[in-house]
Amino acid sequence: GAVVSQHPSRVICKSGTSVKIECRSLDFQATTMFWYRQFPKQSLMLMATSNEGSKATYEQGVEKDKFLINHASLTLSTLTVTSAHPEDSSFYICSALGLSVADTQYFGPGTRLTVL
Amino acid sequence: GENVEQHPSTLSVQEGDSAVIKCTYSDSASNYFPWYKQELGKGPQLIIDIRSNVGEKKDQRIAVTLNKTAKHFSLHITETQPEDSAVYFCAASQLGAQKLVFGQGTRLTINP
Repeated sequence: GAVVSQHPSRVICKSGTSVKIECRSLDFQATTMFWYRQFPKQSLMLMATSNEGSKATYEQGVEKDKFLINHASLTLSTLTVTSAHPEDSSFYICSALGLSVADTQYFGPGTRLTVL
Repeated sequence: GENVEQHPSTLSVQEGDSAVIKCTYSDSASNYFPWYKQELGKGPQLIIDIRSNVGEKKDQRIAVTLNKTAKHFSLHITETQPEDSAVYFCAASQLGAQKLVFGQGTRLTINP
């Protein structure tokens, strides 16, 4: 149980385009989802926290107009990287937290974004 | 805010030996401590967690110990196997507060 999926697993795009990443909780309802980014050989950096039906809370230094987060249902959150640039290339990982999984965050498999 | 320090950054052990990874935290209000294993190119996978109302938890070859007074917790892997090779992250949070603070990670290599 407690499976989280992400789509796509890899994406390559041109500079200036927008990319949408989906995060789904497959077997539980996620009241809260989190988005992280991870650079090579580094730890996970929390970007934002989203609760179903409300606006996301962004961490300090994360541009909310660049990283658009939508959590429209209890099983789906999306992260849209707008006007992507090479410095946005990273590994993006979501996690989900639900009442049924008792405060435990379960992570998705990650999305590798490469901006050319 | 909470700060989590993790040591060592790299650890190499012979297959069959034990591995220990240590973390310290700064916020005495933290009461939930999960450990995640991350393989190359994949998302972190929860391997064990502990709440502050217990001092130790074990699951087969993996155990976690918690010392609330000293504000540190450790991951113990016994009888290590090649498939244990990965990056391990500790984290701390307050139950109900949701946000996890991660350590810097430990790259564990099991030598056959």
